[in-house]
Amino acid sequence: DGGITQSPKYLFRKEGQNVTLSCEQNLNHDAMYWYRQDPGQGLRLIYYSQIVNDFQKGDIAEGYSVSREKKESFPLTVTSAQKNPTAFYLCASSQSGTAYGYTFGSGTRLTVV
Amino acid sequence: GIQVEQSPPDLILQEGANSTLRCNFSDSVNNLQWFHQNPWGQLINLFYIPSGTKQNGRLSATTVATERYSLLYISSSQTTDSGVYFCAVAMFSGGYNKLIFGAGTRLAVHP
Repeated sequence: DGGITQSPKYLFRKEGQNVTLSCEQNLNHDAMYWYRQDPGQGLRLIYYSQIVNDFQKGDIAEGYSVSREKKESFPLTVTSAQKNPTAFYLCASSQSGTAYGYTFGSGTRLTVV
Repeated sequence: GIQVEQSPPDLILQEGANSTLRCNFSDSVNNLQWFHQNPWGQLINLFYIPSGTKQNGRLSATTVATERYSLLYISSSQTTDSGVYFCAVAMFSGGYNKLIFGAGTRLAVHP
């Protein structure tokens, strides 16, 4: 079945550590996105990528980094510069250029300990 | 930037009840979508509805683009309807269609 796989489902980070969240899709979608969700709030865009080897900052990119070396993969690194990283992170994909047909992963819940 | 406001923020229903969720947006948009996030975090698209009315089983949605609002109707609610309902609007920015989400309506359906 086609879809998006996010791993791990739960992740704990110590202060000062960088951690990487994985996102893999087999939908042959060109565009991929990372969103952050905080309690009681909507999804906010961190980074997006429309093609391989290209990505753009979203609304809250500070403290995060991404790469897009393969069409199927769009990992997100939460760096130590992100002061409040505890949140639920969602990865999504779509055909490039459209705002229709988004597919979301099941999310990674990151907690700072 | 464009603002997306959803109401009510929280809703508690008895199984079998009907409900209406509202989404207001502040500017003209390319499209509007409704999503359901289940209690485990999975987000599923319910409707793509830039204008008009659509129905899918017990759910239906209406968007009045000229008045900048959309409504999601849930009839004969079931416990499996619980979760968070988001509306999202698209605007073209930075070379791509950007989805902007509202804060959601958290629905709890009790048996």
